[in-house]
Amino acid sequence: EPEVTQTPSHQVTQMGQEVILRCVPISNHLYFYWYRQILGQKVEFLVSFYNNEISEKSEIFDDQFSVERPDGSNFTLKIRSTKLEDSAMYFCASSSQGAATVNYGYTFGSGTRLTVV
Amino acid sequence: QQQVKQSPQSLIVQKGGISIINCAYENTAFDYFPWYQQFPGKGPALLIAIRPDVSEKKEGRFTISFNKSAKQFSLHIMDSQPGDSATYFCAASLPPPGGYNKLIFGAGTRLAVHP
Repeated sequence: EPEVTQTPSHQVTQMGQEVILRCVPISNHLYFYWYRQILGQKVEFLVSFYNNEISEKSEIFDDQFSVERPDGSNFTLKIRSTKLEDSAMYFCASSSQGAATVNYGYTFGSGTRLTVV
Repeated sequence: QQQVKQSPQSLIVQKGGISIINCAYENTAFDYFPWYQQFPGKGPALLIAIRPDVSEKKEGRFTISFNKSAKQFSLHIMDSQPGDSATYFCAASLPPPGGYNKLIFGAGTRLAVHP
């Protein structure tokens, strides 16, 4: 079964440092997303990306965040200057269509646990 | 308006019992309601989903009941098994062009099925 692959699985970084979280979406998918989950809390939408541009972003996704699809396979989330409160699990997801379908939803990766110290 | 409220926060069920998790929403424009299952250290995985033109959907031991007038939907797990122990999230999505598959998640329910 096709998978969304995320690397690294765990990243520890010092406050103020830049981090790049990497994702390889499913190959024929066109829509890409980042979500985050602070420990023990709900999954929160960060950003969606389609046709090489951001289609929607949440209020969490401020100027410190950026996304990029540098080539045909990778999708990255960059945090420019990390803060303690950025510590969370970050999930990448992809889907083949813009409209959610009953029988095929998002596919999420296993996540990157980001710890800011 | 964009929130999805989920209850209970945690649930303990005996093996073979029925697990019921409830969600409520305010925005009547939502048109897609999936349930996700998440095991520790893993990403959410789609379990079952429904659109508001259907009142019930069943897949194996999992059933979604949808009450459009009450703006509520629930997940029923029949014959609950220890392997069902996980965190369950309900979610909702707006149709395009207002939503590009952005999912709004409930707070999650941690289910423990005891043998």
